[in-house]
Amino acid sequence: NAGVTQTPKFRILKIGQSMTLQCTQDMNHNYMYWYRQDPGMGLKLIYYSVGAGITDKGEVPNGYNVSRSTTEDFPLRLELAAPSQTSVYFCASSYQETQYFGPGTRLLVL
Amino acid sequence: GESVGLHLPTLSVQEGDNSIINCAYSNSASDYFIWYKQESGKGPQFIIDIRSNMDKRQGQRVTVLLNKTVKHLSLQIAATQPGDSAVYFCAETSGAGTALIFGKGTTLSVSS
Repeated sequence: NAGVTQTPKFRILKIGQSMTLQCTQDMNHNYMYWYRQDPGMGLKLIYYSVGAGITDKGEVPNGYNVSRSTTEDFPLRLELAAPSQTSVYFCASSYQETQYFGPGTRLLVL
Repeated sequence: GESVGLHLPTLSVQEGDNSIINCAYSNSASDYFIWYKQESGKGPQFIIDIRSNMDKRQGQRVTVLLNKTVKHLSLQIAATQPGDSAVYFCAETSGAGTALIFGKGTTLSVSS
């Protein structure tokens, strides 16, 4: 199993641009999550999904959107990038409580 | 109130020593706790977990202790190795499909 994979690894965006961060898991987990991690801090939940077709907001959802059309994929969309969205983004999945994380996408908005 | 097991942002140990990393959790309703290890440039990696109906759980070279009275977790690493150098986070949750609430990380540095 590859586990949780994320693409791209690194991206530079200009203010106002949009992009989609991809996340795929091959463990057949129902639950998937998107977190952001700012320097020196723990992770904060952006959005999560309890199954295909179901998504819900986390602690810091503003400026982001998600969709969950399949069990495997959970893309995160930034519509109008802002400097405050400069961060490292982690996708995770779980069968029960333990969440398994991908390698992260480092995003820089200039 | 008295602080038990003060959280330290950094911990430096010698190879072969035992390490103890402390964490205070916030939500009395949390019933599941996880320790993650995060190496530079990587995602958090699961180390060990414990449910709220337990006080102690042991893994390979690691032990987690839970004190619900003072909402405190600790991670003990035996015979610490240079490869254990990383940032360690505790996380709490109240169930599957809910957010992990991360504590403040502790950077462990192991010198040989």
